[in-house]
Amino acid sequence: DVKVTQSSRYLVKRTGEKVFLECVQDMDHENMFWYRQDPGLGLRLIYFSYDVKMKEKGDIPEGYSVSREKKERFSLILESASTNQTSMYLCASLGGRSSYEQYFGPGTRLTVT
Amino acid sequence: AQSVAQPEDQVNVAEGNPLTVKCTYSVSGNPYLFWYVQYPNRGLQFLLKYITGDNLVKGSYGFEAEFNKSQTSFHLKKPSALVSDSALYFCAVRDRVSGGYNKLIFGAGTRLAVHP
Repeated sequence: DVKVTQSSRYLVKRTGEKVFLECVQDMDHENMFWYRQDPGLGLRLIYFSYDVKMKEKGDIPEGYSVSREKKERFSLILESASTNQTSMYLCASLGGRSSYEQYFGPGTRLTVT
Repeated sequence: AQSVAQPEDQVNVAEGNPLTVKCTYSVSGNPYLFWYVQYPNRGLQFLLKYITGDNLVKGSYGFEAEFNKSQTSFHLKKPSALVSDSALYFCAVRDRVSGGYNKLIFGAGTRLAVHP
């Protein structure tokens, strides 16, 4: 079974702090994604990566950056956390071009105070 | 642009009754459609997908979905609901990105509550 893990289930940070969210997958998948989930808005794509050191902006990249130095690891960075970034963050991975099923991690609930 | 809509925020069903969770889509080209489920405090789990072929797609946990091209719908169904089916359900459509890779566009989600 594919396993996608996220470094924290719950995180509380202060406004202005730099925040790192880590995601690791164990299936040698090429594609990885970061979403945020908010009630009534569903999942919105922040950034994705289809290869090591490659990244593409999603629908809501403002205030975020990402890093993919190794194939199995995709990090989401909040350079200066703000209260409107309080949300559930979900990481997902996907195989190659002929793949469609994304595998999700358990999520990190981030609260910025 | 590709999009999906889930017109109901919440669906309430009695245990043992059939359930339907609605999804409509708007795409250019052939639609690739998906359903995911999220149980409390968990990530999303894949339920089923429609790529091509039979309009009735069977998936995990006894769920199925009916693709209707004329109505641009992809409703999720189950003949007999269980209390354990209570969860948040997301419909999604594929979008192609540079390099030929796939990403998903999700609906807002529908909360299913199955009452004993």
